[in-house]
Amino acid sequence: DTGVSQNPRHKITKRGQNVTFRCDPISEHNRLYWYRQTLGQGPEFLTYFQNEAQLEKSRLLSDRFSAERPKGSFSTLEIQRTEQGDSAMYLCASSPGQGAFSPLHFGNGTRLTVT
Amino acid sequence: AQSVTQLDSQVPVFEEAPVELRCNYSSSVSVYLFWYVQYPNQGLQLLLKYLSGSTLVESINGFEAEFNKSQTSFHLRKPSVHISDTAEYFCAVTRSGGSYIPTFGRGTSLIVHP
Repeated sequence: DTGVSQNPRHKITKRGQNVTFRCDPISEHNRLYWYRQTLGQGPEFLTYFQNEAQLEKSRLLSDRFSAERPKGSFSTLEIQRTEQGDSAMYLCASSPGQGAFSPLHFGNGTRLTVT
Repeated sequence: AQSVTQLDSQVPVFEEAPVELRCNYSSSVSVYLFWYVQYPNQGLQLLLKYLSGSTLVESINGFEAEFNKSQTSFHLRKPSVHISDTAEYFCAVTRSGGSYIPTFGRGTSLIVHP
């Protein structure tokens, strides 16, 4: 168990640019989650995959956001035409998928700063 | 849909004093409850969870939480805190039998002073 890995750790970009983040979950975890966290707030759900299928997306996820999980392994989160309001910590988590009681295993996050 | 309320954004306490971090939830169905801890510059990690059975659950580092269904609460307590307990604590809830998406509270920053 090497843990959930997220890259990059930090990303600074100019408004209007596109960014892509990567998440490598714990191997054999079939569920993968993306959350967003801003200062003073708890993690906010963005989207969730069961294997390669994206099962749910938050209404917070505008059409500038897209996530994929090809082959049910790693996942990418892309933000197009970034805005200053997108500045946040983007968290990835995985779980073994043994029911709603399975806790999440989080990565250390990718901090995005949009200037 | 479920929701979680952590009323205290910050709790300062002296070392070796007891502490309670409050968590209340709202859900129309049965839930599973979790506390996660986030140490500085680290990811969230599970501290303890309530699934069923005994309403009092404990972690390996001395924290405990009690599920109170009538008050819809899952407060976290420790009888004697240490400097190393300084961290952000998040309460989370998942509906049993529903979607597997935990909802998190906004977090409580526990600050332990020497």
